[in-house]
Amino acid sequence: NAGVMQNPRHLVRRRGQEARLRCSPMKGHSHVYWYRQLPEEGLKFMVYLQKENIIDESGMPKERFSAEFPKEGPSILRIQQVVRGDSAAYFCASSRMGGTEAFFGQGTRLTVV
Amino acid sequence: GQQVMQIPQYQHVQEGEDFTTYCNSSTTLSNIQWYKQRPGGHPVFLIQLVKSGEVKKQKRLTFQFGEAKKNSSLHITATQTTDVGTYFCAGTSGTYKYIFGTGTRLKVLA
Repeated sequence: NAGVMQNPRHLVRRRGQEARLRCSPMKGHSHVYWYRQLPEEGLKFMVYLQKENIIDESGMPKERFSAEFPKEGPSILRIQQVVRGDSAAYFCASSRMGGTEAFFGQGTRLTVV
Repeated sequence: GQQVMQIPQYQHVQEGEDFTTYCNSSTTLSNIQWYKQRPGGHPVFLIQLVKSGEVKKQKRLTFQFGEAKKNSSLHITATQTTDVGTYFCAGTSGTYKYIFGTGTRLKVLA
C-alpha cells in the first residue's frame, strides 16, 4: 500500500507563473488536507477536502489559490500568478475518516524566483 | 481563532537525558495528535489522545492529555540521537481541521 504521493518534489516557478501541486492519497482514504510550511516554522492549515467537496478552506488565501479533489485522480493545489512569498513546502495529508490518523506526503518544495 | 502554542521552542539535551514538550490550546479540544518531523522530512503521526486525562505510552515516549482538554505533553525518557527532530502537537475542536502547534525542535548531543 503506497503512502501519500506528492509530485513534484521540487518546483521552481518564475513570478507570475502558475504552480500546480498534486497529491494522491493513500488507497482507501477519502479525506485530504493541505498544509504550508515555511523554513523553521510550523504547519499552517490551508484546506480540507473530501472527494469532490471542499469542506473547509478557511486557511487558504481567497485570491490566486484553489484546491480540488475530483472523483477520479489526485487532489490538486493550484497557485496562480505566484509571488516570492509563496515559496514554501506544501504538504498534503490523507486520512480514512475525518479526525483520525493522518498520513503525510513528502511535500512539494516550491521556489519562486 | 484557535491557537496552539508549544514550549519550549528549542531544546538541546545530552543523550540519555529526559525531554518534555508542552502544548497549550486557546480552546477546548476534542482530541489531540502528536507528530514528529525529522530535518528535511515530513510529519509522521505518533499518537492520538481523545479522553480527558488520558495517558498513553510508546516505549520511551509518554503522552498526556490534560483534564480540561486544553493542554497536552510529550515526555521522552533517556533520549537517543534518533529522537532528533521537531515534535508537533495538532488539535481539533471537533471540525476535523487540525491546528498544528508551533513545534519544539529537539537536538540530542551524543
